[in-house]
Amino acid sequence: DTGVSQDPRHKITKRGQNVTFRCDPISEHNRLYWYRQTLGQGPEFLTYFQNEAQLEKSRLLSDRFSAERPKGSFSTLEIQRTEQGDSAMYLCASRFRERVEETQYFGPGTRLLVL
Amino acid sequence: QKEVEQNSGPLSVPEGAIASLNCTYSDRGSQSFFWYRQYSGKSPELIMFIYSNGDKEDGRFTAQLNKASQYVSLLIRDSQPSDSATYLCAVNDSGGGADGLTFGKGTHLIIQP
Repeated sequence: DTGVSQDPRHKITKRGQNVTFRCDPISEHNRLYWYRQTLGQGPEFLTYFQNEAQLEKSRLLSDRFSAERPKGSFSTLEIQRTEQGDSAMYLCASRFRERVEETQYFGPGTRLLVL
Repeated sequence: QKEVEQNSGPLSVPEGAIASLNCTYSDRGSQSFFWYRQYSGKSPELIMFIYSNGDKEDGRFTAQLNKASQYVSLLIRDSQPSDSATYLCAVNDSGGGADGLTFGKGTHLIIQP
């Protein structure tokens, strides 16, 4: 499978716990994006990386959220002290920056439920 | 604050008919426009992208862009029950350095057999 992969696919946690999600982009893609989607809404942009550099962060990305892409390949998104409002689908996408026509391809998502 | 507006539906269309999905956007600087299809519980899947004013056709799908009116649409010809899904409109202002997509809430399309 050469698409974007995410792990885990589902996560149930208790309020106050920390969680970490992983995203593996399509191998030649140098840009990696994180989005959050709640029920009945479209995905909301959180942050993106070009290689290992985090170039943009949304106001939605509070201090409890941190994302890394240390070697310019896979990325992790950590949520500290989870709240019930963090329950959502967390989507990762990737694309190859140098191709103008390239768009973002999404992974299957990680569904988070905070109890 | 960039906004993308879509009618949430549901939009019900008979099988074999043309489904017309509409989207408006607030940021005149938007340069790239995308339509994604999302089945329940799944991630968005790219259907079409369009950058220039006018029509772009790909099989049964046609995207239409009117930058002056800040309007983009998606036509689905010969609608099939498998087209039943939520269709998300997204825009990107990559020219300004920002590269995250701004999505609408999506239109729920139902194709009636």
